[in-house]
Amino acid sequence: EVQLVEFGGGLVKPGGSLRLSCAASGFTFSRHSMNWVRQAPGKGLEWVSSISSSSNYIYYGDSVKGRFTISRDNAKNSLYLQMNSLSAEDTAVYYCAREVCNGGNCYFDYWGQGTLVTVSS
Amino acid sequence: QSVLTQPPSASGTPGQRVTISCSGSSSNIGSNSVNWYQQLPGTAPELLIYINNQRPSGVPDRFSGSKSGTSASLAISGLQSEDEADYYCAAWDDSLNGPVFGGGTQLTVL
Repeated sequence: EVQLVEFGGGLVKPGGSLRLSCAASGFTFSRHSMNWVRQAPGKGLEWVSSISSSSNYIYYGDSVKGRFTISRDNAKNSLYLQMNSLSAEDTAVYYCAREVCNGGNCYFDYWGQGTLVTVSS
Repeated sequence: QSVLTQPPSASGTPGQRVTISCSGSSSNIGSNSVNWYQQLPGTAPELLIYINNQRPSGVPDRFSGSKSGTSASLAISGLQSEDEADYYCAAWDDSLNGPVFGGGTQLTVL
């Protein structure tokens, strides 16, 4: 059974940093690109970042570029998101999601339960 | 403001058929497939429809998707109370190298 479990969320002051982790199990982690998607309270979904299976390709959404860094450790079946210079606008539930691509068409077939990041003084 | 445009709300009575629209542009829906996610209250999103009209195993055939040009739609027939959820469309955006989402449609079963 595919499982994605995020942790590392919490309360952080504006300007602070936080590192999220996502533990994957039930599939060959090293064969999949992985993503972070966030959802602000009462709002919709926003794609944050993606990383290819061997970390060769990394992309970020415009709102986090230059502040967030995605990484992975295939030996530990883990995905990470280092978040710096946090502001109130980054307050959200952060989900990790497995990416599947079929003939160039990509989608997220499994999501974690999410971890809440609150940025407040 | 979301890149893809969805109506904020939709409703129907049990047994009815409802549709949810999703409008985009040439850089996303116009050139890439559309996926739909269902988010039940208090839970994480789940894949509902992928590559325009494909259903993952376990998704009832009451749910169907379609795409034409730069728009897409999700249809739910035989509406049931457990279908009350938020529905999001998404499509890869060529200028972003990542997906863009609609703002979500909150479906209420009356």
